[in-house]
Amino acid sequence: EPEVTQTPSHQVTQMGQEVILRCVPISNHLYFYWYRQILGQKVEFLVSFYNNEISEKSEIFDDQFSVERPDGSNFTLKIRSTKLEDSAMYFCASSEERGYGYTFGSGTRLTVV
Amino acid sequence: QKEVEQNSGPLSVPEGAIASLNCTYSDRGSQSFFWYRQYSGKSPELIMFIYSNGDKEDGRFTAQLNKASQYVSLLIRDSQPSDSATYLCAVPLTGTASKLTFGTGTRLQVTL
Repeated sequence: EPEVTQTPSHQVTQMGQEVILRCVPISNHLYFYWYRQILGQKVEFLVSFYNNEISEKSEIFDDQFSVERPDGSNFTLKIRSTKLEDSAMYFCASSEERGYGYTFGSGTRLTVV
Repeated sequence: QKEVEQNSGPLSVPEGAIASLNCTYSDRGSQSFFWYRQYSGKSPELIMFIYSNGDKEDGRFTAQLNKASQYVSLLIRDSQPSDSATYLCAVPLTGTASKLTFGTGTRLQVTL
């Protein structure tokens, strides 16, 4: 069964450092998303991406965040200057159609120290 | 008012029983509703979606939607210990077709 692949599975970084989280969506999917889940809290939307541009973003997705699809397969989330409160599980997801149920990747656990 | 609300549980049911999980939402314009299962430390996994009022069955799972009352529920028949997980209700709110708003989830424990 096709799956969304995320790397790394766990990233530890120092406060103020930049991190890039990587995702390979399912190949025929057109819509891509990043969500995060702080430990013990609910899954929160960050950003959606379609046709090489951001289609929606949340209040969380401020200037320190950016997304990119540098080639035909990868989809990345960059956090420019990490804060302690950025520590969370970050999930990439993709879907074939807008508004359809997503397939989530296995996540990257980001720990900012 | 919370946009998507679920009882956090835990909901404890014996093996073989029916588990009933409920979700209410605040946006009357919402058109589609999703149930995800999340095992501890894992990513959400889509198990059901429903668009129309009434029931939708898929194996041991039945989703029920009542738009007038703004609730959606998930029934799990013949509950198994492997069903023990957190069940997340997710709704795309009006005007946000690509963004899912999740509830906090209900933790289900199926006991032997």
